[in-house]
Amino acid sequence: GAVVSQHPSRVICKSGTSVKIECRSLDFQATTMFWYRQFPKQSLMLMATSNEGSKATYEQGVEKDKFLINHASLTLSTLTVTSAHPEDSSFYICSARPSGPQTGTPYNEQFFGPGTRLTVL
Amino acid sequence: AQSVSQHNHHVILSEAASLELGCNYSYGGTVNLFWYVQYPGQHLQLLLKYFSGDPLVKGIKGFEAEFIKSKFSFNLRKPSVQWSDTAEYFCAVNPYTDKLIFGTGTRLQVFP
Repeated sequence: GAVVSQHPSRVICKSGTSVKIECRSLDFQATTMFWYRQFPKQSLMLMATSNEGSKATYEQGVEKDKFLINHASLTLSTLTVTSAHPEDSSFYICSARPSGPQTGTPYNEQFFGPGTRLTVL
Repeated sequence: AQSVSQHNHHVILSEAASLELGCNYSYGGTVNLFWYVQYPGQHLQLLLKYFSGDPLVKGIKGFEAEFIKSKFSFNLRKPSVQWSDTAEYFCAVNPYTDKLIFGTGTRLQVFP
């Protein structure tokens, strides 16, 4: 259980185009999803927290007009990279946190998707 | 600044060697601690987590970690590594908020 999928797994686009990445929780509902960015051989950097039915919360330094997040349902969050440029090339990873408390822990564990490799030419 | 530090960036071991990966954090107060593993070409998987109680936590695949509050550390250990343990290992801290803050990662290579 607790599977998170991302689509597409890999995308190559031209500079100036917009790219949409989907994150789905397949067997659970997730009020909260998170979007991370991972540069080669570096750690995951949290970009934003996506809350179902409300606006996303962006981390300092992340342009919200550049990285549009929509969390329209309890199983789907989307990240749209608008007017992509080569410097946006990266590995984008989402995670989902199950709604409601999990037995025995004060913190709902995040489950990670497989990531999306974005290459902007 | 608040951060999570992993001092070993790249570790190379032979099979059956013992492993210890360091993780230190600089957040005060109560924290939840995690170790994640990312095998080549795969997504992040949780190895183990600490919330409270026994500071020695056992995880999957023979891994364990010890929380030492006085040292702000949560080091990962395995007594005998295997070739299949080759992966990237990330320490993460949840400073009692929604967010997970990741360390820079340690790349482990195990040779037969």
